[in-house]
Amino acid sequence: DAGVTQSPTHLIKTRGQQVTLRCSPKSGHDTVSWYQQALGQGPQFIFQYYEEEERQRGNFPDRFSGHQFPNYSSELNVNALLLGDSALYLCASSSKGTGGDTQYFGPGTRLTVL
Amino acid sequence: AQSVTQLDSQVPVFEEAPVELRCNYSSSVSVYLFWYVQYPNQGLQLLLKYLSGSTLVKGINGFEAEFNKSQTSFHLRKPSVHISDTAEYFCAVTHFGNEKLTFGTGTRLTIIP
Repeated sequence: DAGVTQSPTHLIKTRGQQVTLRCSPKSGHDTVSWYQQALGQGPQFIFQYYEEEERQRGNFPDRFSGHQFPNYSSELNVNALLLGDSALYLCASSSKGTGGDTQYFGPGTRLTVL
Repeated sequence: AQSVTQLDSQVPVFEEAPVELRCNYSSSVSVYLFWYVQYPNQGLQLLLKYLSGSTLVKGINGFEAEFNKSQTSFHLRKPSVHISDTAEYFCAVTHFGNEKLTFGTGTRLTIIP
């Protein structure tokens, strides 16, 4: 049973560029959440997707956008990259529920913005 | 709004000694609480969670945590640590109807041989 997978593992971009990160949820899961983890910090919630719609959003600017596909996989897009966007981006999957469901995390994508 | 405070950023412990990692939360509604572990260069793995019922929760790798509503705490404990427990530990909170996890800043557990 494959867990949550993310690609790519590492990415280097320059300021102003755009980036797309990808996530495949754990088998049987239909909900995908994205988190940003800056160095030395805890993960910060970006947004969550369910049934191809953004269901909940954290305190991130509109430069951060996402998409969920019919097979439940998801993409995170970040436009106009800033140095401060350098972080580990984590994808987590779960089953639609009421908040107590376990979120399973992928290994993350390390984004470096130069 | 909800928040989590992890009181210790770093905790060094001798191998086979007990350890407690502290977590306090703030929320205006009933909470669900989680502890996750992050090994170097990896994602987060769930250790245990509290949803309701017994306030003592047992998790994987010999860890346990106790929910204390009056003190708004959810401290993580292990009676005897091993070198393999070296990692970053994160406490997180959410509530019914909300799947957004709010994390603390983490506690780095270092095991001294």
